[in-house]
Amino acid sequence: DIQMTQSPSSLSASVGDRVTITCQASQDISNYLNWYQQKPGKAPKLLIYDASNLETGVPSRFSGSGSGTDFTFTISSLQPEDIATYYCQQYDNLPPLFTFGPGTKVDIK
Amino acid sequence: QVQLQESGPGLVKPSETLSLTCAVSGYSISSGYYWGWIRQPPGKGLEWIGSIYHSGSTYYNPSLKSRVTISVDTSKNQFSLKLSSVTAADTAVYYCARQQSGWSTPGFDYWGQGTLVTVSS
Repeated sequence: DIQMTQSPSSLSASVGDRVTITCQASQDISNYLNWYQQKPGKAPKLLIYDASNLETGVPSRFSGSGSGTDFTFTISSLQPEDIATYYCQQYDNLPPLFTFGPGTKVDIK
Repeated sequence: QVQLQESGPGLVKPSETLSLTCAVSGYSISSGYYWGWIRQPPGKGLEWIGSIYHSGSTYYNPSLKSRVTISVDTSKNQFSLKLSSVTAADTAVYYCARQQSGWSTPGFDYWGQGTLVTVSS
C-alpha cells in the first residue's frame, strides 16, 4: 500500500502569512493527489484535485503543486476563516484504495 | 445542489452490527457516480471504508472488507453501510460522500454532515 505523510503536523501563523504544507507519498503517484480542508466539527471540503487544480468556488489564495512523491499545498495569505485541518488524499487502483494523509492543523498565531 | 444526510443509531453495542443510511437529494443516484463511506475516529484522521455504484458494484478498504457491506436502494435514492462485529475501535464520525471519478485522482466532492457512532455497552 502507498503511505502518505504530511508535515508539519501543526502550525501557527499570522493573518496574511504564506503557509505551506507538504505531503509525501511512499512511491511515485504522478499527480494523483487531492487536498481537503476540514473545519472543526464539519465535513471535509475538497479544495484541490489532481495536485494543482482548484475546485470550483475555492478562493485563489489556495494552490497546490508537485508530482511524483512530493507535493505542496499553499495558502498565499492566511485568513481567519482558513483555520482548519488540511488533508492530502491519494487513490491507488490496485487494489482500489483511497488513502488520506494524517493531516496538518493550521491555527492563527 | 447535491445534498447527503446520514442517519442511524448513535450507539451500538460491541460485537453487534453498525447500520447507517445516506439519503441523497438534488441528484439521482441512478444517474451515475460512485458513492462512498468514510469515517473519522474522534481526534484522528480520515479512513475510507468503501464505495458503491448505482448498479450495486462495490469495492471496500481491504482492512475492513471482511466486516463491511454497502448496498444501494435507487428507488429511495439512498445507500447504506453495515459494519459487523464492532468494537470500541469503530467509534467514529461516519460520513457519506459522492465520489468524483472525472478527474485523474478519484476523490469526494460532496459530503454529508457526518454522524457520530459510539460503540459501547
